[in-house]
Amino acid sequence: DAGVTQSPTHLIKTRGQQVTLRCSPKSGHDTVSWYQQALGQGPQFIFQYYEEEERQRGNFPDRFSGHQFPNYSSELNVNALLLGDSALYLCASSYRVPGLSEKLFFGSGTQLSVL
Amino acid sequence: AQKITQTQPGMFVQEKEAVTLDCTYDTSDPSYGLFWYKQPSSGEMIFLIYQGSYDQQNATEGRYSLNFQKARKSANLVISASQLGDSAMYFCAMREGNSDYKLSFGAGTTVTVRA
Repeated sequence: DAGVTQSPTHLIKTRGQQVTLRCSPKSGHDTVSWYQQALGQGPQFIFQYYEEEERQRGNFPDRFSGHQFPNYSSELNVNALLLGDSALYLCASSYRVPGLSEKLFFGSGTQLSVL
Repeated sequence: AQKITQTQPGMFVQEKEAVTLDCTYDTSDPSYGLFWYKQPSSGEMIFLIYQGSYDQQNATEGRYSLNFQKARKSANLVISASQLGDSAMYFCAMREGNSDYKLSFGAGTTVTVRA
């Protein structure tokens, strides 16, 4: 049973460029959340997708956008990259219905470096 | 205000000994969940243990136990019989409400197990 998979594992971009990160949730999971983890810090919630819609959003500018596909996989897009966007981007999946699973399953992340 | 506070940036522990990682939280929601995750150098966040705010007993998962003191708003993680493979970053996190899968993370504690 595959867990949460993310691609690519590493990415180098320059300021002003756009980037797309991809996530496939754990089998059977229908909800995907994205987190940004700056070096030496805990992850910060970006947004959550369920039924192909953004359901909740953290304190991130609208340069950060996402999408969820019918197969529950998801993309994170970041436009007009800034140096401060350099971070590990983690995807997490879960069941939407509370009680079926209390825990999030995380992928290994995409390390984004903005030069 | 910080929702999750982890005051120990780094800890050393001898192999086979127990170690306690501190976590305090702040919420006015009566329904919440507390999580501990382990993050090795590979980057993946690995779920360790969960405690619900209405749970009467402290959670245990193998060598991990959570010392939940609701009145003090603390949720310390105890790792018993430390192993070299326990060396990693450990994060305390909180989910507020019943259906919200957004987690707020602390800054983390680095644990180094010595042989």
